[in-house]
Amino acid sequence: GNSVTQMEGPVTLSEEAFLTINCTYTATGYPSLFWYVQYPGEGLQLLLKATKADDKGSNKGFEATYRKETTSFHLEKGSVQVSDSAVYFCALSEWDNNDMRFGAGTRLTVKP
Amino acid sequence: DVKVTQSSRYLVKRTGEKVFLECVQDMDHENMFWYRQDPGLGLRLIYFSYDVKMKEKGDIPEGYSVSREKKERFSLILESASTNQTSMYLCASSLSDRGQETQYFGPGTRLLVL
Repeated sequence: GNSVTQMEGPVTLSEEAFLTINCTYTATGYPSLFWYVQYPGEGLQLLLKATKADDKGSNKGFEATYRKETTSFHLEKGSVQVSDSAVYFCALSEWDNNDMRFGAGTRLTVKP
Repeated sequence: DVKVTQSSRYLVKRTGEKVFLECVQDMDHENMFWYRQDPGLGLRLIYFSYDVKMKEKGDIPEGYSVSREKKERFSLILESASTNQTSMYLCASSLSDRGQETQYFGPGTRLLVL
């Protein structure tokens, strides 16, 4: 079945450091890929998404490119801020349904 | 903006109690979902509904039931709460069943079963 594997946390960075959170997936068809973020005490909210191979999703300085050849959707940000501290979830859904599969989540802490 | 609300942020219940968690969305979405979130396990789907009075089991439906009498409201029911149902429960909704649709989440209900 479909699944998502993302790097284990926690990840601790200093402000302005470069961020990469790895995400790889297994899917039988043509999935859409998502990154969701969960700030402390809140539900998940969409950070970015990509719906086909080679698409790049971007939002708030974060980027991720849908790589079909490596089945990956790594999240990157060039310069993190303290306010980026949160838990990040990679997720996929198949093209023909909205049954979404989530990774285990990666907790990011950014220190001033 | 889509708004998904959940009836409680925190709940404390005793083993054997019947527990109702309510979720309401205000954007006329077709699909609604209940997940539980546990550390190291990510989100696991309990049940989802793609229409009024319709429901489908997710990955971990045992010990849970759901009700969707109105399009905007999706309830999760723990028939007889047990300590292993202590968790964070998240409700979500999406516009349609297309795979690329974004799911919109409520703030979550943290349930403690004693």
